[in-house]
Amino acid sequence: EAGVAQSPRYKIIEKRQSVAFWCNPISGHATLYWYQQILGQGPKLLIQFQNNGVVDDSQLPKDRFSAERLKGVDSTLKIQPAKLEDSAVYLCASSRDRTGEQYFGPGTRLTVT
Amino acid sequence: AQSVTQLDSQVPVFEEAPVELRCNYSSSVSVYLFWYVQYPNQGLQLLLKYLSGSTLVESINGFEAEFNKSQTSFHLRKPSVHISDTAEYFCAVSSTPAYSGGGADGLTFGKGTHLIIQP
Repeated sequence: EAGVAQSPRYKIIEKRQSVAFWCNPISGHATLYWYQQILGQGPKLLIQFQNNGVVDDSQLPKDRFSAERLKGVDSTLKIQPAKLEDSAVYLCASSRDRTGEQYFGPGTRLTVT
Repeated sequence: AQSVTQLDSQVPVFEEAPVELRCNYSSSVSVYLFWYVQYPNQGLQLLLKYLSGSTLVESINGFEAEFNKSQTSFHLRKPSVHISDTAEYFCAVSSTPAYSGGGADGLTFGKGTHLIIQP
């Protein structure tokens, strides 16, 4: 089966600009996650969707970050306006059931200058 | 709230020597435990997981981890490492699902341990 797809793979923007990332999960996976991985740290959960509803967005900086999952399939994560500290790799993952195994995409590396 | 501590940021070891990567967690609820691996220039891959049952779990490439509830640990071990094991290893936990029909809970990761294999 095809894996989790993400685009773009790399993005460089200036601070205060906006940016959007796209994720297509594995077919049939109802749960989708966005993680932020800052250099030298482990990934941090930003938001979790179950189908097209939000399950957990407690760590999402809602003043500048937003995410949506239309029709319960693809998802977009947006940052507006970006700050220097948003420089990180943004990972999308999906899971099929309650067993906890998540499949990760290749990530989008964001550099904010 | 949950947390994961990986005490060693880097572990250098000679090829064919044994290795142990340490992981301790903190949680007020029941958890699932995972080890993910990130090879150079690749994405995160699941190495092994503990959900329930036997506390010793194994991967297909010779790694094993043991869940110790009393010590809240899930250390990763391999009796003999190979140069191809060079990678970043992440320990992670998630809460066991609270209701039927729901998806897996999000993961809380440690900071990672860089395993460096020396020839």
